[in-house]
Amino acid sequence: SQKIEQNSEALNIQEGKTATLTCNYTNYSPAYLQWYRQDPGRGPVFLLLIRENEKEKRKERLKVTFDTTLKQSLFHITASQPADSATYLCAPYRGGGADGLTFGKGTHLIIQP
Amino acid sequence: ETGVTQSPTHLIKTRGQQVTLRCSSQSGHNTVSWYQQALGQGPQFIFQYYREEENGRGNFPPRFSGLQFPNYSSELNVNALELDDSALYLCASSLGGSGNYNEQFFGPGTRLTVL
Repeated sequence: SQKIEQNSEALNIQEGKTATLTCNYTNYSPAYLQWYRQDPGRGPVFLLLIRENEKEKRKERLKVTFDTTLKQSLFHITASQPADSATYLCAPYRGGGADGLTFGKGTHLIIQP
Repeated sequence: ETGVTQSPTHLIKTRGQQVTLRCSSQSGHNTVSWYQQALGQGPQFIFQYYREEENGRGNFPPRFSGLQFPNYSSELNVNALELDDSALYLCASSLGGSGNYNEQFFGPGTRLTVL
């Protein structure tokens, strides 16, 4: 069955450093991969989408990579700030159908001042 | 601000009861998806409605049902509530159809507690 794994433990990063979050998937051949941010008690917020033919995508301080051979996506936040503290969810997506997204459990990121 | 709204914010029910949750999609979006999120888990896909028809469903029993209205708002109905149904229920709207990548715009959720 499809499986998505994200860092199970909370990730503590010092302010100003780069935070790197991992998303691994198995039994999947996604054409796209999406990343979301979720704050406590709120709905997820879409951040970035990367396609299988894109190795890297950037948006301001965010960078996402997508390695279909390793079946892995990395999500980087550079110059991290305490306001970046949240849970980050990845969602590999096959596309083209009526399937909703399948999310990983998420990584809880804590940026310490 | 995503524009997706949900009601109610919180709800407490007892086992065996029925519940209806409501969602208004973002302007211009024709697709609504519902997700269940248990504590410490990622959202789990329940079903999706596109132009008033259910066109995708996750691994949820038939007691989870829904509707989409002509204005693309939606309802989620859950019958015969069980304790394990306690969760945050999220509605997400998107622009369906070919050429779209299913980016989901989520509402704030409804927190359902079943006692």
